[in-house]
Amino acid sequence: GAGVSQSPRYKVAKRGQDVALRCDPISGHVSLFWYQQALGQGPEFLTYFQNEAQLDKSGLPSDRFFAERPEGSVSTLKIQRTQQEDSAVYLCASSLESGPGELFFGEGSRLTVL
Amino acid sequence: AQKVTQAQTEISVVEKEDVTLDCVYETRDTTYYLFWYKQPPSGELVFLIRRNSFDEQNEISGRYSWNFQKSTSSFNFTITASQVVDSAVYFCALSGVRYNFNKFYFGSGTKLNVKP
Repeated sequence: GAGVSQSPRYKVAKRGQDVALRCDPISGHVSLFWYQQALGQGPEFLTYFQNEAQLDKSGLPSDRFFAERPEGSVSTLKIQRTQQEDSAVYLCASSLESGPGELFFGEGSRLTVL
Repeated sequence: AQKVTQAQTEISVVEKEDVTLDCVYETRDTTYYLFWYKQPPSGELVFLIRRNSFDEQNEISGRYSWNFQKSTSSFNFTITASQVVDSAVYFCALSGVRYNFNKFYFGSGTKLNVKP
């Protein structure tokens, strides 16, 4: 499809496991964002890429969270040694613009840590 | 700091009623952007509108309208003649130049239930 694609849609991990979440943005979109959405809450900013450069990672909650976008297209969010508080939906969004433009969101990856 | 408050957690209306979703924001920036997004049950947020801080004109798009008032730091969203398909969670969001335009701050959302 032509939209933002995220995988896996659902992930169950045991506490302490590492997980990797993938985002395939819309082709040609310069900007890519990761947000974390807890149940019943609004999305919270994690990190932002412009092409392959990670320009803002101020929202990453700890050094267990790491994101990359090595070729300026697909991005991976990695969470090491998962903890129960990491359980959330992880949303990826992309934008054609480098400024505050319209964000196109994927359907999210729901992570449950047991 | 940047903050968005959506005080209405959940609203229920009957189809064809008008409904207004409130959004109040806080920012020290003089240049900022405001947004509304819709999140249907599928989970994918859908962009509805973007306004910048220099443009206080109200906007109408079909059954949707937005009222931006800097004096009260509000950016309210009205749906006229609501329909069942309008049922979703609606988020207001803010981005400002001081904290990086690309860092969006979302409110906690208002869940709208439109009953037939």
